[in-house]
Amino acid sequence: SSELTQDPAVSVALGQTVRITCQGDSLRSYYASWYQQKPGQAPVLVIYGKNNRPSGIPDRFSGSSSGNTASLTITGAQAEDEADYYCNSRDSSGSDVVFGGGTKLTVL
Amino acid sequence: EVQLVQSGAEVKKPGESLKISCKGSGYSFTSYWIGWVRQMPGKGLEWMGIIYPGDSDTRYSPSFQGQVTISADKSISTAYLQWSSLKASDTAMYYCARHLGGWYLAKPNYYGMDVWGQGTTVTVSS
Repeated sequence: SSELTQDPAVSVALGQTVRITCQGDSLRSYYASWYQQKPGQAPVLVIYGKNNRPSGIPDRFSGSSSGNTASLTITGAQAEDEADYYCNSRDSSGSDVVFGGGTKLTVL
Repeated sequence: EVQLVQSGAEVKKPGESLKISCKGSGYSFTSYWIGWVRQMPGKGLEWMGIIYPGDSDTRYSPSFQGQVTISADKSISTAYLQWSSLKASDTAMYYCARHLGGWYLAKPNYYGMDVWGQGTTVTVSS
């Protein structure tokens, strides 16, 4: 079982804002990273650190954290944002790296 | 262009050995940790372990310790994941990925994996 918990599925209307959350005790101590994975493709890093976007990631993607919960927010969701999203961080001991179970985002 | 290119798909029988590869280019291969991630069919991502090609310092997830071996040959900028005796349950897609930042970082610093290989499909079936 994962030490990071995500909702299995979330939906959002086209152009609206959606927040995808990730809960875990280790998030009180470590930053979370977020990945987008589309069917048949490798994951892509979209947010890392406090709230950093790699080059090429649209600014509608942002990250935040409070207590044991990290969040990925997509402001003005587009059809191409429909994908699985995974959070990732160190575990509570700091000796392992863990992923959340993933959230399937549907853009309606 | 920074990229990781993985070896091709493999079909093996239970009990056979296997070594898959991940070749880095476009950056200093010895300066970044490389990790391996498993994705079983229809399932989520699982972190397996990590290696620093500069000195071959290696860390394994407890779930994979003793099940696989991670290695690297810095002379050819290539990391490896190997099995000595495959099981049907090893059937999965395997990704290598470059870790941002180091391993021995003080809290809260963890920056994830910024460059991913295209994945290697491993099928183990009798």
